[in-house]
Amino acid sequence: DSGVTQTPKHLITATGQRVTLRCSPRSGDLSVYWYQQSLDQGLQFLIQYYNGEERAKGNILERFSAQQFPDLHSELNLSSLELGDSALYFCASSALGSVHNEQFFGPGTRLTVL
Amino acid sequence: GDSVTQMEGPVTLSEEAFLTINCTYTATGYPSLFWYVQYPGEGLQLLLKATKADDKGSNKGFEATYRKETTSFHLEKGSVQVSDSAVYFCALINNAGNNRKLIWGLGTSLAVNP
Repeated sequence: DSGVTQTPKHLITATGQRVTLRCSPRSGDLSVYWYQQSLDQGLQFLIQYYNGEERAKGNILERFSAQQFPDLHSELNLSSLELGDSALYFCASSALGSVHNEQFFGPGTRLTVL
Repeated sequence: GDSVTQMEGPVTLSEEAFLTINCTYTATGYPSLFWYVQYPGEGLQLLLKATKADDKGSNKGFEATYRKETTSFHLEKGSVQVSDSAVYFCALINNAGNNRKLIWGLGTSLAVNP
């Protein structure tokens, strides 16, 4: 158990809909990272937050947004969903802002868009 | 841009066989290199890392040596077990620049048969 929790574990929704994925980092970790894992694109970094502020951005679509709250949990919002958004979404956390610190991954949320 | 190339899987071995999973990278400067492992139904875990040339990372019987001359970071284990069945990801962080995100390989699936 990494100490990172993600909810829900599974999500099934329809095209055009909007969903919110939630992540709670390990106790004391200030950084949260979001990743998308799909069969055709592999593991893609989406975005990083550090202590409530956006720190780095990866291949995140404009339809997606994220935030980190004062209690350090983070939410990833996916809107106008398309079939191609079906994937496993991972959250990871680390103690400090630099990616040189080990990242601890949650179990993921599997999103299926029908 | 920076990239990581892993050998394609799946790799199927018998218990106690020798394992090599090849990983090569392209990056400017001096990246840090990582191997992560994803067991079935779980998130990713850091397996080992190396931050400079000729460093050897090791953990749980796995080893990888940072070879700058061949831009490689091959993962090896002398005697695999059934419990090593998982997907293995090679990744790098480019230490040049401000956007220090993990760049991932596509992963190599390993199945170990008893």
